[in-house]
Amino acid sequence: GENVEQHPSTLSVQEGDSAVIKCTYSDSASNYFPWYKQELGKGPQLIIDIRSNVGEKKDQRIAVTLNKTAKHFSLHITETQPEDSAVYFCAASLQGGSEKLVFGKGTKLTVNP
Amino acid sequence: ETGVTQSPTHLIKTRGQQVTLRCSSQSGHNTVSWYQQALGQGPQFIFQYYREEENGRGNFPPRFSGLQFPNYSSELNVNALELDDSALYLCASSPKGLLKETQYFGPGTRLLVL
Repeated sequence: GENVEQHPSTLSVQEGDSAVIKCTYSDSASNYFPWYKQELGKGPQLIIDIRSNVGEKKDQRIAVTLNKTAKHFSLHITETQPEDSAVYFCAASLQGGSEKLVFGKGTKLTVNP
Repeated sequence: ETGVTQSPTHLIKTRGQQVTLRCSSQSGHNTVSWYQQALGQGPQFIFQYYREEENGRGNFPPRFSGLQFPNYSSELNVNALELDDSALYLCASSPKGLLKETQYFGPGTRLLVL
């Protein structure tokens, strides 16, 4: 079945720096790739997503890139702020009736003031 | 904050007991998915409900079952609880139409099995 690998598992940056998180997926049929931010004690919050017909998408300080040939996608956060500190998850969605999401193991991002 | 709500927020059960978790989907959403998130891991898909029927299932045994009601709310039932069932259980709802794969999560129910 589908497998999603996420790196790094932890990432520490200084406030104002950029952060990049990378994911690879195994099933070439996947066509939807969301990113979630999960703060302590809360459910995952959708922050950005990309579909396979698009190579890049940006929303203010957050951007996602997709390389379908290499089967990898990345989250880029610019001008990081302490409130960006959280665990970030990438996911891939299989084609088919259920559109189930397969998640990576998460990246704990710490932004130091 | 999404419009997805879950109850209860926390629950403690003992091994062998049964538990029912509840989820109310966001207004306008007709699809509900359930995920299990173990500590330090990403969520794992349990199953999805669409139009009151199961619409896909992950690698979970039959003692995990669910329901969806006409108002699109949903329940997750787990029988014969095991210690490994301790986790955060997340419900996600999806809108109708072209954006149906976009899933919005609730805050979760944290289950502890002793």
